This record gives sequence, C-alpha cells and structure tokens, in this order.
Amino acid sequence: GAGVSQSPSNKVTEKGKDVELRCDPISGHTALYWYRQRLGQGLEFLIYFQGNSAPDKSGLPSDRFSAERTGESVSTLTIQRTQQEDSAVYLCASSLVLGEAFFGQGTRLTVV
Amino acid sequence: RKEVEQDPGPFNVPEGATVAFNCTYSNSASQSFFWYRQDCRKEPKLLMSVYSSGNEDGRFTAQLNRASQYISLLIRDSKLSDSATYLCVVQAGTALIFGKGTTLSVSS
Repeated sequence: GAGVSQSPSNKVTEKGKDVELRCDPISGHTALYWYRQRLGQGLEFLIYFQGNSAPDKSGLPSDRFSAERTGESVSTLTIQRTQQEDSAVYLCASSLVLGEAFFGQGTRLTVV
Repeated sequence: RKEVEQDPGPFNVPEGATVAFNCTYSNSASQSFFWYRQDCRKEPKLLMSVYSSGNEDGRFTAQLNRASQYISLLIRDSKLSDSATYLCVVQAGTALIFGKGTTLSVSS
C-alpha cells in the first residue's frame, strides 16, 4: 500500500481481555516504531524494530505489553490482561531514513 | 526532567503573523532533530528536519543550538491552515522522542 496501515481502527475491549493490534509498514521501510498517545498527551515511545536486529523494547510500560515483527514486514502489538489505563491511541510508524517516520492513522483502544 | 520540553501554548495569532516555538532537550548525546505537525485527532507528519546550520523551507525556519540544547521553529506569514500542534522530536539512540507539542491557532 501507499502508506502505513493499522488495524483495527477502533477496538473496544473488556478489562482483563487480551488485544492484538496490527501494523503494515510501507514496503521497503526497515524501521518500525510503536507509540502510545493518551487523550491530550504526547506520544510515548513503546518499541523500535530495525531490520533483523534485536528490538529496542525500553519503552514498553509493563510485561503485559509485547510486540513482534518478522523481518521488514507486519508487526503486531499485543496487550495482555488489558487495564483501563491502557486506553489510548496506539500509533505505528515506519521509516527508511532515520527520523523521517511515516505514521499510520492509529488504533483507538478503549478498555471498559 | 522531561527529555523534550515544549511550551504547550496555545498560541493564538492572526493570519499573517510571525510566531516562534521553542523546545529544549535533556540528552546531550542526541543526534538528530525534527519538527512534526499533528492535526486534531490525526497522526503526526514530518514537517522538517533541523540541521546544525539552520534550515528554511518556505515560510518555516528551524534552528538548532547544540550548546544550549535548544531547537526553534519560526513560522512567517501564518495561514489558517497552519493551525495544528507542532511536535519537537529528538533522536536519541534508536528512539524518536516526541515533545508534548505546542498548539497553534491562526484566526482570520
């Protein structure tokens, strides 16, 4: 596709359930980022993938959060045992040139 | 201390005004710097990179002062369409660290 694609665009889940968010990066982009943006807040870095290197997981807020990426393709962000404070927009971005990140439209997660 | 700090605003200016945003960062090892723009309920988009020598793109001018760990963005001749939140972004290691943004509202 032409841009970064994220699915679902909206997700409502019950507290305690697991959710999986998907990101399709721009073809050929070696770097992929996940961010979280709570309402009215800035972007919070979660995780970074670069090619086949070990990911930078330093931003993951707890062990309930994990992410996978195979090579330079699709990435999934999984949140286990969701809590209300996990409610946010989860943004994925891909990049070929350092710092020039292209964002998807995000997944709006609501935990009820 | 927050890694990237910005005045949240809002900055309310009339069309045609010149407005400047400032940003400071805490990690002296930061390597690259950017300004992104985020419209309401939309994803962020790259506005411009910031180079040590300063750079200009049309009505937008970005400056970097490494000694003071300070970045600025100047917008000349503001347009209604410039209304958005402007995000200061610093690359430290592998992560891109975003400031919380400065909100600009341009009115006619």
